[in-house]
Amino acid sequence: EDQVTQSPEALRLQEGESSSLNCSYTVSGLRGLFWYRQDPGKGPEFLFTLYSAGEEKEKERLKATLTKKESFLHITAPKPEDSATYLCAVQARSGGSNYKLTFGKGTLLTVNP
Amino acid sequence: DAGVTQSPTHLIKTRGQQVTLRCSPKSGHDTVSWYQQALGQGPQFIFQYYEEEERQRGNFPDRFSGHQFPNYSSELNVNALLLGDSALYLCASRDRDNGLVRTQYFGPGTRLLVL
Repeated sequence: EDQVTQSPEALRLQEGESSSLNCSYTVSGLRGLFWYRQDPGKGPEFLFTLYSAGEEKEKERLKATLTKKESFLHITAPKPEDSATYLCAVQARSGGSNYKLTFGKGTLLTVNP
Repeated sequence: DAGVTQSPTHLIKTRGQQVTLRCSPKSGHDTVSWYQQALGQGPQFIFQYYEEEERQRGNFPDRFSGHQFPNYSSELNVNALLLGDSALYLCASRDRDNGLVRTQYFGPGTRLLVL
């Protein structure tokens, strides 16, 4: 069964203090790995899709990287508005077609001014 | 360009009742998935609809059923509600393409509380 584990569960940073979030996954072949941001009581907002090991994508202060077993979301010089829960999800190959996303529990990031 | 929309935003029901949640996909999208997100957890896949048919289903009982209309909008129905069905219900859509890996875009969700 596909599994996604995110760490840490919660992270508190000072404004400007860079850090990384981890997403470890176990799947029967990876089709894609997705990062989403979720604000309290709202739907997840898409950030990145990564398809193969070695791939990197950047958007403002965020950079996502992918290896064969895990993905990192690096946050450079975060601001208070980056506070949110960051969700990692995988789409796996299993049998024929597989369309579902399997999510981790998320990392709750708090950035203090 | 309107994103994924869901209605209602909040709903309160009692045990044993039935509920219908609605979703309109993002413009240009033809595939709709439904997810259940309990407090403090990641979203769990319920099922996906494509061409008005259920294409894939997660580990949810038959009390959860759905429908997709010709305009690609979708409904999620839950019968015989249990306290444990209280959650944020998310709808996600993806665009028309034959590829298997397409980003899913989520709506704001419907918060369901079962008393």
